[in-house]
Amino acid sequence: DGGITQSPKYLFRKEGQNVTLSCEQNLNHDAMYWYRQDPGQGLRLIYYSQIVNDFQKGDIAEGYSVSREKKESFPLTVTSAQKNPTAFYLCASSKGRGPYNEQFFGPGTRLTVL
Amino acid sequence: GIQVEQSPPDLILQEGANSTLRCNFSDSVNNLQWFHQNPWGQLINLFYIPSGTKQNGRLSATTVATERYSLLYISSSQTTDSGVYFCAVFTGGGNKLTFGTGTQLKVEL
Repeated sequence: DGGITQSPKYLFRKEGQNVTLSCEQNLNHDAMYWYRQDPGQGLRLIYYSQIVNDFQKGDIAEGYSVSREKKESFPLTVTSAQKNPTAFYLCASSKGRGPYNEQFFGPGTRLTVL
Repeated sequence: GIQVEQSPPDLILQEGANSTLRCNFSDSVNNLQWFHQNPWGQLINLFYIPSGTKQNGRLSATTVATERYSLLYISSSQTTDSGVYFCAVFTGGGNKLTFGTGTQLKVEL
């Protein structure tokens, strides 16, 4: 089955620790994205990548870092510099670049900072 | 930046009822998507609709880009339709999706 997988489903972190969220897709999509969702709100863009070894900041990139070493993978690291990291994180992908490409989403990771 | 507003914010329906959800946006957009977020958080693609009307079973959507709005119609609602409905618009030169505020729908027996 083609799709987007995210792991883990739930993640607990102590303050001051970095943590990495995994996102993998087997859809042969070029572009991948990370969004954050807070309770009762819509999604906000953290980072996106349109091609391997290249990525761009979104609206709320502070305290996050990403890498894109393989087309299939786009891991997100939540660093200790992120002041309010507790949230629901969703990864997405689209076939190509530009605005005329539908985005598809993974099941998400719920991060809680204790 | 662009503002995307959805109405109503909350909606309670009896099973079998019909409803219309609205999405207004403040500037020109390249494209628009509708999603259903189920109780587990999964975002399910409903429509990819820059303009015109599309139908998929009991759901249909209409986008009038020149007037900066889109409508999602749900007919003969079922309890499984419950969840949050989001519209999201493409703006700028990249693949940036800006999400609306969402409509929380609850369908009761």
